[in-house]
Amino acid sequence: KNQVEQSPQSLIILEGKNCTLQCNYTVSPFSNLRWYKQDTGRGPVSLTIMTFSENTKSNGRYTATLDADTKQSSLHITASQLSDSASYICVVSANGYSTLTFGKGTMLLVSP
Amino acid sequence: KAGVTQTPRYLIKTRGQQVTLSCSPISGHRSVSWYQQTPGQGLQFLFEYFSETQRNKGNFPGRFSGRQFSNSRSEMNVSTLELGDSALYLCASSSLPGTDIQETQYFGPGTRLLVL
Repeated sequence: KNQVEQSPQSLIILEGKNCTLQCNYTVSPFSNLRWYKQDTGRGPVSLTIMTFSENTKSNGRYTATLDADTKQSSLHITASQLSDSASYICVVSANGYSTLTFGKGTMLLVSP
Repeated sequence: KAGVTQTPRYLIKTRGQQVTLSCSPISGHRSVSWYQQTPGQGLQFLFEYFSETQRNKGNFPGRFSGRQFSNSRSEMNVSTLELGDSALYLCASSSLPGTDIQETQYFGPGTRLLVL
């Protein structure tokens, strides 16, 4: 069964600090992995999309890594800001199926 | 360029009723996907439409249906509502169909449905 597990479930960090969110998946055959940011009351916004051959992809202060061998991904946030407070969702697409398997998300709170 | 719009934003219904939600994709996008988001299950895929054709369907009962019009606008219908249908319903648009490609999906703000 295709699954995406995210950790931690929630996280509180001080403004200006860095943090790393984890995503483990069992989706097969793997096509791509996406990280989304979802602010409360809003729809998700795409941060990065990575395929099998990509190890790292950055979007401003967000850097995603992918290890397709261990089926793990991480999202690193540098110099956190209050506006980074949101839910971060890891999503994996299976090749040829046009469907997405979603993680439950990590709720990040950046405290002043 | 206007983003994805969804109407209505909030809706309250009672069990047994039916509901229709609307989604207007970004101009030029022909693919629309629908998702259900609940605190317990997270985001779950409902279905995807491209050029008025349903390309894929998630694991939801037949009470959930949808359609897409020639202008790419899409509607989702839920019949015989149950308490468990209370959720945030999100639609996302993209220019090309399928998520097994590096195609960014743009999400709307969602319709929050409460079933009493």
